[in-house]
Amino acid sequence: GAVVSQHPSRVICKSGTSVKIECRSLDFQATTMFWYRQFPKQSLMLMATSNEGSKATYEQGVEKDKFLINHASLTLSTLTVTSAHPEDSSFYICSAESGSTPGNTIYFGEGSWLTVV
Amino acid sequence: AQTVTQSQPEMSVQEAETVTLSCTYDTSENNYYLFWYKQPPSRQMILVIRQEAYKQQNATENRFSVNFQKAAKSFSLKISDSQLGDTAMYFCAFMGNQAGTALIFGKGTTLSVSS
Repeated sequence: GAVVSQHPSRVICKSGTSVKIECRSLDFQATTMFWYRQFPKQSLMLMATSNEGSKATYEQGVEKDKFLINHASLTLSTLTVTSAHPEDSSFYICSAESGSTPGNTIYFGEGSWLTVV
Repeated sequence: AQTVTQSQPEMSVQEAETVTLSCTYDTSENNYYLFWYKQPPSRQMILVIRQEAYKQQNATENRFSVNFQKAAKSFSLKISDSQLGDTAMYFCAFMGNQAGTALIFGKGTTLSVSS
């Protein structure tokens, strides 16, 4: 079946540095990918919608200059947390839509734990 | 804007029993999709069941079934013959009828199955 791979699964970075998280669709082309953030014991909060070849659409309250999203190909979207701070520590999870018609199956990556120290 | 509400933060059930998780949603759309996802401690999101709003028949997947009441905007999940492996957080989710729209999740229900 379709697989979405997310890397790294865990990353620790120093405050003030930037860190990149990759989301790849392994056996299908994903025109649209989504990035979510999840705090412990809470729900998935949509951060942005990423469309291949165009700028991402960010949800209200999400700083686009801090959370840079690039979707340069149909199989790869990246989330870069710039100038990371401890409050950015969280679980980040991507998902990809397989196809371009309504109701397509959404596949999730395994998620990435970010710890900023 | 669409919203999804799960009013049960936590639920407990014993093995082999049946449990029902509640979900209500709000939308002005007529066609849309509803989902239940399971998130075990590994954090991997696992699709449990999917319902298309234009289908009146309730979806079923083995031990999992839904009670979809479109007029009431209710979408509950019934887990029959609960197993220890069902222990997880369960999210109800809504997706509109346009390609490229994101899943909107409820706050989740933590289900604990005990022996």
